[in-house]
Amino acid sequence: KAGVTQTPRYLIKTRGQQVTLSCSPISGHRSVSWYQQTPGQGLQFLFEYFSETQRNKGNFPGRFSGRQFSNSRSEMNVSTLELGDSALYLCASSLGGQANQPQHFGDGTRLSIL
Amino acid sequence: AQTVTQSQPEMSVQEAETVTLSCTYDTSESDYYLFWYKQPPSRQMILVIRQEAYKQQNATENRFSVNFQKAAKSFSLKISDSQLGDAAMYFCAYPNTGNQFYFGTGTSLTVIP
Repeated sequence: KAGVTQTPRYLIKTRGQQVTLSCSPISGHRSVSWYQQTPGQGLQFLFEYFSETQRNKGNFPGRFSGRQFSNSRSEMNVSTLELGDSALYLCASSLGGQANQPQHFGDGTRLSIL
Repeated sequence: AQTVTQSQPEMSVQEAETVTLSCTYDTSESDYYLFWYKQPPSRQMILVIRQEAYKQQNATENRFSVNFQKAAKSFSLKISDSQLGDAAMYFCAYPNTGNQFYFGTGTSLTVIP
């Protein structure tokens, strides 16, 4: 069974631009969560989607948004990029989105803002 | 608020020896799960082990085991017979009932040949 796939692996943008990251979950998984990982803040929860609905949202500004499609694939969008948005963005999927189910992570997208 | 604390930023262990990584957490829930994840330089987070809070028995997966102390809210990971491939960042994680995972700041484990 294929794992969680994130594209692209690396991305370089400049301040003010916007970016879209993509995540394809493991087949059959309906929950997709997004995390931002930085050396200073560690792993921080962005949001979770389940059956095309955002169920949970972390403490990030509205510039960070996402969506989930009917095939469970998810996209994350960041608008008006700032230098502080440079980070590794990780996507994770789980079967039914319950707390007893482990999340399976992708390799992440490394976003660099110049 | 739920928090997860890993007080050891870095640890090292001799190959074939045993090392224990510490984790404490805070929650008001009585029934929950805890996880340890490993992130090697390849950066993919890999599930190491899962513990169910209502189970008295500590979880074990091959060379990995936990010491779960519910009253003390402590959840340490023991790695036996350490191998070079165990070198990675290790994260302790607690998911709330809404499936929002809270991660500790991680412990960087070095395995010395």
